[in-house]
Amino acid sequence: KQEVTQIPAALSVPEGENLVLNCSFTDSAIYNLQWFRQDPGKGLTSLLLIQSSQREQTSGRLNASLDKSSGRSTLYIAASQPGDSATYLCAVRTGNQFYFGTGTSLTVIP
Amino acid sequence: EAQVTQNPRYLITVTGKKLTVTCSQNMNHEYMSWYRQDPGLGLRQIYYSMNVEVTDKGDVPEGYKVSRKEKRNFPLILESPSPNQTSLYFCASSWASDGMEAFFGQGTRLTVV
Repeated sequence: KQEVTQIPAALSVPEGENLVLNCSFTDSAIYNLQWFRQDPGKGLTSLLLIQSSQREQTSGRLNASLDKSSGRSTLYIAASQPGDSATYLCAVRTGNQFYFGTGTSLTVIP
Repeated sequence: EAQVTQNPRYLITVTGKKLTVTCSQNMNHEYMSWYRQDPGLGLRQIYYSMNVEVTDKGDVPEGYKVSRKEKRNFPLILESPSPNQTSLYFCASSWASDGMEAFFGQGTRLTVV
């Protein structure tokens, strides 16, 4: 069964720093990997989707990479802002199911 | 606007009283699924549906039922809710093709007392 791990569980950084969030998965036979943002008590907002054949995707200050063979993905956030404070989740699609990590809670300090 | 709509957003109920959480999407997606989110456990898939009348179990299906009679709707049914089903529930939809992006509803916070 696919297992998805996110490290660290929590991260606190001063505003303006660049940071990296990590996601690892045990079964490399994935169709895609998706990064989400979740604000407290809210739903999931899709940030980036990486197809299994792709190596990275970029959107604004966000860049996500995928190394399927090693079972790893990173989400890079450039020039962090207080508004980036949220929980970041990664999810992989394996077969017909989605598997989620437990998330990284990010706090950006003004 | 493309969206996945869940209702209700908040629900408090008593043990054993049947309830239904509705989910509707307006994107004509074939694939729909339900998740529960619990502290320390992340999101876990309850059931999914590849298309109308096609449903299958996820990782935590016990105590839940689903149906897919129409493409846009995928209700989650708790026939006899128990306190261990207190959780935050999410519905999601996507195209069935392998690499497609998933869209999530805003969540339903269920408390069973």
